[in-house]
Amino acid sequence: KQEVTQIPAALSVPEGENLVLNCSFTDSAIYNLQWFRQDPGKGLTSLLLIQSSQREQTSGRLNASLDKSSGRSTLYIAASQPGDSATYLCAVTSNSGYALNFGKGTSLLVTP
Amino acid sequence: SQTIHQWPATLVQPVGSPLSLECTVEGTSNPNLYWYRQAAGRGLQLLFYSVGIGQISSEVPQNLSASRPQDRQFILSSKKLLLSDSGFYLCAWSSPSRGGGETQYFGPGTRLLVL
Repeated sequence: KQEVTQIPAALSVPEGENLVLNCSFTDSAIYNLQWFRQDPGKGLTSLLLIQSSQREQTSGRLNASLDKSSGRSTLYIAASQPGDSATYLCAVTSNSGYALNFGKGTSLLVTP
Repeated sequence: SQTIHQWPATLVQPVGSPLSLECTVEGTSNPNLYWYRQAAGRGLQLLFYSVGIGQISSEVPQNLSASRPQDRQFILSSKKLLLSDSGFYLCAWSSPSRGGGETQYFGPGTRLLVL
């Protein structure tokens, strides 16, 4: 059974810092990996999707990397802003199914 | 552009009462549809998915059921709610594919509290 772990569970940084969020998964037979953002009481917004054959994806100040063999992904946020404050979720799709297997998320607070 | 709607946004129901949550998608045809639950202190868990009208697959045994009466409509139901059904229910859609693997787009969610 795929287990997805995100570290740290919570993170507080001052505005302008670069930061890294970590995600690990136990079964490397994945189809893809997605990073989402969730604001309090809201649905999820897809940030980046990395196919299993890719190493990284970039969107604006966000860069996600994938090392499938070691079961790890990182989300790098450059020049953080207070508007980046949210919970960031990592999810993987296994080769065999439809389900997104989610981690419990990292709660990020960027202080002005 | 595609949009996904869920209602109601919030629901408080007594134990033993029935439940019906609705999700609709606009701007796409034959989407894959998903119901997830986010319980307190737990990650998001896939409950059901559907690849077409009348086609429902359940990921976990539970007190809930799902139906897809129309191409872009997905309904989550229960005949008798349990306390453990409380949570945040999210509907999602993705483009039809070989079986998952496409980006999933989520609705705004329904917060259910069972008392």
